[in-house]
Amino acid sequence: GQSLEQPSEVTAVEGAIVQINCTYQTSGFYGLSWYQQHDGGAPTFLSYNGLDGLEETGRFSSFLSRSDSYGYLLLQELQMKDSASYFCAANTNAGKSTFGDGTTLTVKP
Amino acid sequence: NAGVTQTPKFRILKIGQSMTLQCTQDMNHNYMYWYRQDPGMGLKLIYYSVGAGITDKGEVPNGYNVSRSTTEDFPLRLELAAPSQTSVYFCASSYTAGLNTGELFFGEGSRLTVL
Repeated sequence: GQSLEQPSEVTAVEGAIVQINCTYQTSGFYGLSWYQQHDGGAPTFLSYNGLDGLEETGRFSSFLSRSDSYGYLLLQELQMKDSASYFCAANTNAGKSTFGDGTTLTVKP
Repeated sequence: NAGVTQTPKFRILKIGQSMTLQCTQDMNHNYMYWYRQDPGMGLKLIYYSVGAGITDKGEVPNGYNVSRSTTEDFPLRLELAAPSQTSVYFCASSYTAGLNTGELFFGEGSRLTVL
């Protein structure tokens, strides 16, 4: 089976740093992806971890620990435009990509 | 490149009607997916395909059918529409199930209402 857990809501202020956690139970796990989705829009890819450790892409970083079945997305220097929903997704070696229920990030001035 | 194109963008169906959501991609991707997203929820995998002629069920396949006769096209068929199928449907594609980069490319979505 597949399941991913992430917090439903997170609130932070402009300029701050926020971490969104994701734990997973996924058969045939291959890697963890992160997506951003603004209201009414399609998900857009942010980051991917195929190996343990930290991946950095500009203001966004993502981390994976396979031994803990855990990952997180780190957003730095928050901006108002970062207010959106963030999804972790587990990729499997069978070809599936299964998504968590998403975390709604609200950035306040 | 147009990327992933879905049609229609909006549709209202009556209970019991059938329809097909079209999805085509011009990136020569092997893997294609159909997801549904209910309000405030995550994306649930309906069906996916690892190549032409091959399809497999996802988490919520009941009430849907797919086919993959070409690399480019992956239509989703709704038979006997029910109010529970009211949702936003997203088609996505990737090179090799995102195994290399983890990236799925999404269409803009098709908003379906069943009344």
